Amino acid sequence: DAGVIQSPRHEVTEMGQEVTLRCKPISGHDYLFWYRQTMMRGLELLIYFNNNVPIDDSGMPEDRFSAKMPNASFSTLKIQPSEPRDSAVYFCASRPGTGYNEQFFGPGTRLTVL
Amino acid sequence: AQSVTQLDSQVPVFEEAPVELRCNYSSSVSVYLFWYVQYPNQGLQLLLKYLSGSTLVKGINGFEAEFNKSQTSFHLRKPSVHISDTAEYFCAVRTNNAGNMLTFGGGTRLMVKP
Repeated sequence: DAGVIQSPRHEVTEMGQEVTLRCKPISGHDYLFWYRQTMMRGLELLIYFNNNVPIDDSGMPEDRFSAKMPNASFSTLKIQPSEPRDSAVYFCASRPGTGYNEQFFGPGTRLTVL
Repeated sequence: AQSVTQLDSQVPVFEEAPVELRCNYSSSVSVYLFWYVQYPNQGLQLLLKYLSGSTLVKGINGFEAEFNKSQTSFHLRKPSVHISDTAEYFCAVRTNNAGNMLTFGGGTRLMVKP
């Protein structure tokens, strides 16, 4: 298996633009997580899905952020409009169903908003 | 709610010296504990995990950790570090009543010097 795949690996955009980050979880995994990593706040959970359904989005910073999982093999995290304070590394992680505790992380998307 | 504290943000150490990275957590219920490693420009990889049983857990790359319930700690150790161990290390906790979420500590940057 190729592991969790994220695209793009790097994104540079201007303030006010829409940004879409993509994630393909490991096949067969029931859970998908979106995290944000910054120097100031460390690693924060934004939202997670179980069987494509959002379960907890309490970590989503504000309405500019939205996440979807239209099917078991694809998820997006969208920021509209983007702001410089959104600059961070965004990680996607997945894990199998109940009984497994380890999360498998993707390589991350480094977002820079100018 | 659970929380994780990594007391040292940076740990410099010479090659072949022993190292201990400290992790303390707060939780009133049973916990599952994890150590992840993040190499530069990469995602997080699982080093080891404690779910139950023996309190001494061995992981990859010669690392081990000991779960101490009375001190609510899960310190990571390696008897002899290599230059290649230079990375960021994250402690994480999951509790039975926290759904499927992991709470991460702020990370410790291990810097191995020749």
